[in-house]
This record gives sequence, structure tokens and C-alpha cells, in this order.
Amino acid sequence: SQKIEQNSEALNIQEGKTATLTCNYTNYSPAYLQWYRQDPGRGPVFLLLIRENEKEKRKERLKVTFDTTLKQSLFHITASQPADSATYLCALPVSGGYQKVTFGTGTKLQVIP
Amino acid sequence: DAGVIQSPRHEVTEMGQEVTLRCKPISGHNSLFWYRQTMMRGLELLIYFNNNVPIDDSGMPEDRFSAKMPNASFSTLKIQPSEPRDSAVYFCASIGETYEQYFGPGTRLTVT
Repeated sequence: SQKIEQNSEALNIQEGKTATLTCNYTNYSPAYLQWYRQDPGRGPVFLLLIRENEKEKRKERLKVTFDTTLKQSLFHITASQPADSATYLCALPVSGGYQKVTFGTGTKLQVIP
Repeated sequence: DAGVIQSPRHEVTEMGQEVTLRCKPISGHNSLFWYRQTMMRGLELLIYFNNNVPIDDSGMPEDRFSAKMPNASFSTLKIQPSEPRDSAVYFCASIGETYEQYFGPGTRLTVT
């Protein structure tokens, strides 16, 4: 089965800096990869989807890369703000599937003013 | 659109009692997912429906758990009898034409 690894330790970063979160996966190469944000007491919120034939995708201050050789995705938040503090989850479809995904355990980001 | 609606938001019950969680997906979305989230195990998929039909229930922990989707706008997740280890946050999510999952606010279940 697909295994997803996200840094379980919290990431603390100074306001204004670029935050970089990592998502590593094993086994097969997924058709796409997603990133979600989750705030305490709330459900995850979709941020970005990147397909296997895309190297990079951007949305405002967010940038996602997808390296199918390294089996890794990097999630960047530029000019980070305290409001970016949350847990960020990556998700990949299971082998042979498209809608059913497996979520990583998430990385908690704390942006310090 | 109001988004995915779940009820109740909080449920506290005693071991052995029946618990029913409810979900209303976003109108027009044809796939619905039930997840459970705990600190130890993260976000786990329990079951998902496509056009009201259960497609994959391999994540349902045991026979005490059951889910139904009688129509496109309503689904239930039932636990009978409940046990303390069922304590978790249960999320419902729906998908439309793309793969973006829209999550509800969740139901925090505490079984004492």
C-alpha cells in the first residue's frame, strides 16, 4: 500500500520567510498529488493539485513541486504570515484509483511574528 | 452554497449506545467520503460512495460500523454499539467533477 511521509515535527518559521514542507511517498507513482490545509477544530481545506506531468504549480504565495523520480513533493509558502499557521496535509490517490486518496499525517507550521 | 453539512458537531455518549452521524454533501457532488481522524492514526478513509452506491468500505473497522446513502443529499454513519476507542473526529467530504475534496466541519465523538 502507498506510504506517505511528512515531517511529524512542527516547523517554526519567522514571518516573511519562505516555509518549505516535504511530502515523500513510496511504491507506485500517483497520477496527481494534493495539498490541504487544516486549522484546529476544522476540516481540511483543499489548496492545490499537481499532476504527474507537471513539475511545478503556483497559486498566489503557494508553490508546489512534484518530483516523480525522487517520489517527493515540496510545498512552499513565500512571504509567510502568522495566518499561515496551520497543519498541512498531502494526499495521493491509491494505486489504481483516482478519487480514493491516502492522507499523510501532516506537518504543523507555526509562523512567528 | 453552504458547503458540506455535518451533524451533530459534538456527541458524547456512553459505551454500548448507538451513535448516528449525519452528512449532507454539496449539491451536485456525486461522490461522498467518510473519514475518521485521531492523533495516533491521522485521517483514515472509512468508506466512500459514488452516485449513492458504496464503492469501497475496506476502511470500516468492524461490523459495528455501517454507512448508508439513501439519496444524493444525505448519508449516515452509524456505530452500534459504540466503544471508547471509537472516540475521534469524523469527517464527511464530497467531490464533484474534479478530485478536490470538500470537507465538512466534522463531528467530535466522545464515548465514555
